[in-house]
Amino acid sequence: DAKTTQPPSMDCAEGRAANLPCNHSTISGNEYVYWYRQIHSQGPQYIIHGLKNNETNEMASLIITEDRKSSTLILPHATLRDTAVYYCIVRTSGSSNTGKLIFGQGTTLQVKP
Amino acid sequence: DAGITQSPRYKITETGRQVTLMCHQTWSHSYMFWYRQDLGHGLRLIYYSAAADITDKGEVPDGYVVSRSKTENFPLTLESATRSQTSVYFCASFRGLGPNTEAFFGQGTRLTVV
Repeated sequence: DAKTTQPPSMDCAEGRAANLPCNHSTISGNEYVYWYRQIHSQGPQYIIHGLKNNETNEMASLIITEDRKSSTLILPHATLRDTAVYYCIVRTSGSSNTGKLIFGQGTTLQVKP
Repeated sequence: DAGITQSPRYKITETGRQVTLMCHQTWSHSYMFWYRQDLGHGLRLIYYSAAADITDKGEVPDGYVVSRSKTENFPLTLESATRSQTSVYFCASFRGLGPNTEAFFGQGTRLTVV
């Protein structure tokens, strides 16, 4: 399973863009990068995912490097409600092909007024 | 309402008791998962199921039993609860097998074993 590495914590000023990095140097060609977040002990919430192209939705943008070894989640205008733990996950596609989501420790993003 | 629901939301039980946590989804998703979350450990996969009557172990399956007699339900049973199983439990479902589908999580069950 491809592993991910994220900084344990980050701060961001309200209204500014939050850029959350993730390293996944062992990612395989058919594995997707997913981002979830968890707000204060609620269930994790899906944000965005991508394979190799940059992706954007109403919540965020995902920038994946050309070699796919790292990615950045961008929250364009962070609000206090974006304070959460953000998880970068590589969706496994091992021999059992179950597509399990294996969570790491994530990045705690603190948005400050 | 459509979605994935867990019950109960909170549960206190005694050591040695059997307790079952329920998970129900209304989408008819094939894949369902159980995670536990403890301080300092993040979310760890306990068991998962690819379809009715098909289940498999995750990272931390010891002390837990699951069943999947119907697609929409995926109960998690602690056969003899221990204090180390005090945790927040999350259920999730995926639409399909491929890596291009997102998971939906329930609100969690906070279990305390005394």
